Amino acid sequence: AQSVTQPDIHITVSEGASLELRCNYSYGATPYLFWYVQSPGQGLQLLLKYFSGDTLVQGIKGFEAEFKRSQSSFNLRKPSVHWSDAAEYFCAVGVPNFGNEKLTFGTGTRLTIIP
Amino acid sequence: NAGVTQTPKFQVLKTGQSMTLQCAQDMNHNSMYWYRQDPGMGLRLIYYSASEGTTDKGEVPNGYNVSRLNKREFSLRLESAAPSQTSVYFCASRGRLTEQFFGPGTRLTVL
Repeated sequence: AQSVTQPDIHITVSEGASLELRCNYSYGATPYLFWYVQSPGQGLQLLLKYFSGDTLVQGIKGFEAEFKRSQSSFNLRKPSVHWSDAAEYFCAVGVPNFGNEKLTFGTGTRLTIIP
Repeated sequence: NAGVTQTPKFQVLKTGQSMTLQCAQDMNHNSMYWYRQDPGMGLRLIYYSASEGTTDKGEVPNGYNVSRLNKREFSLRLESAAPSQTSVYFCASRGRLTEQFFGPGTRLTVL
């Protein structure tokens, strides 16, 4: 079965600084990969997804992620964070299954932004 | 277009009480899901429905039942609530290319 690891439980960065959130997965082939964001008291919103093709994926709110097969990673990046980016971020992996895919989520990384 | 809606938003139960969490989507999606979210554990799949008329267990199904009433609605029932079921519950539906769309959640406390 697939699994997802987000090694950083909590990250604090200064407003305007760059950000990288780590995500590693375990699966024998190339899975579908996702990053979701959750603001306090809200549901999850999709930031970006990777299915195939170009390994650098652009998402909403200025985020991007890079799929590295050799490292089984799908790290999320943003060149300059804004105070509104403070939230919890979840990486998820889906195994292709002819339209019956389920997602496995990591435990999340909470992002705090300081002025 | 409301997306995925969930009712209620908050609920407090006593141990042993029953209740049903409602979920509806207006995006004509075939697949729907129920998750629970607990601190430090991410989201864990309780049950899912790949299409109308079918349901399957996820990672943590014990103590729950589900009904896929029609294509739009997917309900989650707790027959005899336990304190261990205190959690935030999310419903989701799957769009094209496997991305899932989430509802706003139901915060459940079992005393």
